[in-house]
Amino acid sequence: QVQLVESGGGLVKPGGSLRLSCAASGFTFSDYYMTWIRQAPGKGLEWVSYISSSGSTIYYADSVKGRFTISRDNAKNSLSLQMNSLRAEDTAMYYCARDGQIITGTIEYWGQGTLVTVSS
Amino acid sequence: QSALSQPASVSGSPGQSITISCTGTSSDVGGYNYVSWYQQHPGKAPKLMISDVSSRPSGVSNRFSGSKSGNTASLTVSGLQAEDEADYYCNSYTSSSTPRFGGGTKLTVL
Repeated sequence: QVQLVESGGGLVKPGGSLRLSCAASGFTFSDYYMTWIRQAPGKGLEWVSYISSSGSTIYYADSVKGRFTISRDNAKNSLSLQMNSLRAEDTAMYYCARDGQIITGTIEYWGQGTLVTVSS
Repeated sequence: QSALSQPASVSGSPGQSITISCTGTSSDVGGYNYVSWYQQHPGKAPKLMISDVSSRPSGVSNRFSGSKSGNTASLTVSGLQAEDEADYYCNSYTSSSTPRFGGGTKLTVL
């Protein structure tokens, strides 16, 4: 069965950095677009970033552009999100999620989420 | 980019039907059939309930249905049950090659 397991969340000070990881299993990882979606406490869902199956196409939300970097290692079935210059407004649950073989916004599989808290 | 427009809350009694709307533009909801709906219970990850406007993934109750007219998509839940109480989010692909979520709707079962 498809499994997505995030790790790397935690408490970090404003201006700090954090690297999130997602271990994927149960499907051919290299065939699918992968995404990071976040949800601030008590708020709605927000697309953060996505990466194509080969890594050649990448999208970032305006709110994280220039600060976050998404990457994938198809040999290791892993997805990462490097988060730099973190701000209080980046505090959220971050979900690793699988889109399709083309990007459509349809997410059938979600991880359990990893919580990032940016606070001094 | 602003979120797709959803009502903040809807409510209904057990057994009744409710409809949640998701309004966008011709650049998103109206222009593509990649509209999906997600159910989220407190403290849980979202769950896909409807894809491609009206398709139900395996395992999703047939009490959930989706449709679209122009720039507005809708999720209908019939035969409301207590377990349906949750937050619901729509999502659409957009002409910017990016998906976009709605702001979310809290469904209360009275």
